Amino acid sequence: DTGVSQDPRHKITKRGQNVTFRCDPISEHNRLYWYRQTLGQGPEFLTYFQNEAQLEKSRLLSDRFSAERPKGSFSTLEIQRTEQGDSAMYLCASSLVQFEQFFGPGTRLTVL
Amino acid sequence: KQEVTQIPAALSVPEGENLVLNCSFTDSAIYNLQWFRQDPGKGLTSLLLIQSSQREQTSGRLNASLDKSSGRSTLYIAASQPGDSATYLCAVFNYGQNFVFGPGTRLSVLP
Repeated sequence: DTGVSQDPRHKITKRGQNVTFRCDPISEHNRLYWYRQTLGQGPEFLTYFQNEAQLEKSRLLSDRFSAERPKGSFSTLEIQRTEQGDSAMYLCASSLVQFEQFFGPGTRLTVL
Repeated sequence: KQEVTQIPAALSVPEGENLVLNCSFTDSAIYNLQWFRQDPGKGLTSLLLIQSSQREQTSGRLNASLDKSSGRSTLYIAASQPGDSATYLCAVFNYGQNFVFGPGTRLSVLP
């Protein structure tokens, strides 16, 4: 399968714990995006990378959130000291610069 | 700041009907607009991408149009089927910004 993959698909954690999600983009895509989506809403932009450089971060991305894309391939999104308000679907997408985005299946996070 | 709205929020139609979903955006300086489909609890599936220089794109029973000057796009679905039931989202890409999504239209096609 050559699409965007995300791992894990579901994560249940207790408040205060740290979690890390992984995204593997389509191999030739140089842009990688992270979004957060809550029930009944469209995805909200969190951050994006062009190759290994993180070029923009949303105000939604508090100090507890950090994203990396070492070597310009896969990316990780870490949330430290999770809060119940972090419960959401975390979506990853990749594209060639500003062309068509392709999304992964998402990671659903539940913070108890 | 770009804002994207979608009307209606929800739509229920009998199988076989043709239908139109609407997407409006406030900043017309877009680079492209993309329509997606999302099934419950799943990721987004790209349906159509319209570049700012284009007026419409077609794929099978789907046709998307773009009127940049009025800040509108429509997604036309012909001969709807129960398998078309999903949430449909539009997203716009502005120069110097990133993709901004609308809240989606939840479509139910009844057999």
